[in-house]
Amino acid sequence: AQSVAQPEDQVNVAEGNPLTVKCTYSVSGNPYLFWYVQYPNRGLQFLLKYITGDNLVKGSYGFEAEFNKSQTSFHLKKPSALVSDSALYFCAVRGVSGGYNKLIFGAGTRLAVHP
Amino acid sequence: GAGVSQSPSNKVTEKGKDVELRCDPISGHTALYWYRQRLGQGLEFLIYFQGNSAPDKSGLPSDRFSAERTGESVSTLTIQRTQQEDSAVYLCASSPRGGTEAFFGQGTRLTVV
Repeated sequence: AQSVAQPEDQVNVAEGNPLTVKCTYSVSGNPYLFWYVQYPNRGLQFLLKYITGDNLVKGSYGFEAEFNKSQTSFHLKKPSALVSDSALYFCAVRGVSGGYNKLIFGAGTRLAVHP
Repeated sequence: GAGVSQSPSNKVTEKGKDVELRCDPISGHTALYWYRQRLGQGLEFLIYFQGNSAPDKSGLPSDRFSAERTGESVSTLTIQRTQQEDSAVYLCASSPRGGTEAFFGQGTRLTVV
């Protein structure tokens, strides 16, 4: 069965410092991995995805994520956090084996960036 | 339209009433998902459509919940005899054939009083 774990309910970072939001996954076969961001009272916005190729993927707003197959992780990173990055972040996975694979989300991690 | 459109944006209903939530996916998108998000919680998968068939209904919480889709177009999520625990934001997403990421609507906030 597919699953996604985001081990931290909340991450606190000072503005200007690097940030990491953790995600690990379990899926049969090779995964498609995604990060989404949700601002207050808004829908989910797509940030970035890993499909194949380079393990480091770059996305919107200066975010990047590193796929690590041996650790089954896909951590979200940003070199220098902004207060405006404060939001709820969701990791998601879709398996690619078989005819249909549902898109499964983690529980979310709230990122708080302090001035 | 340019994105996934959901209506209404807000719905307040009395306990025991039926409600219908609508989702208009991005034109040409074959896959459509419904999720539920309770206050401060993550996304709970409800149902997935490929075209107008639903190969995965495993997330529907009870037989009070049902969903339909017309071709590769609009979908409606119906909740019968609403209960207070149904209060949540209901999110719809779509993705194109062969596509990878899903694109989300703004959601319908349902409040059962």
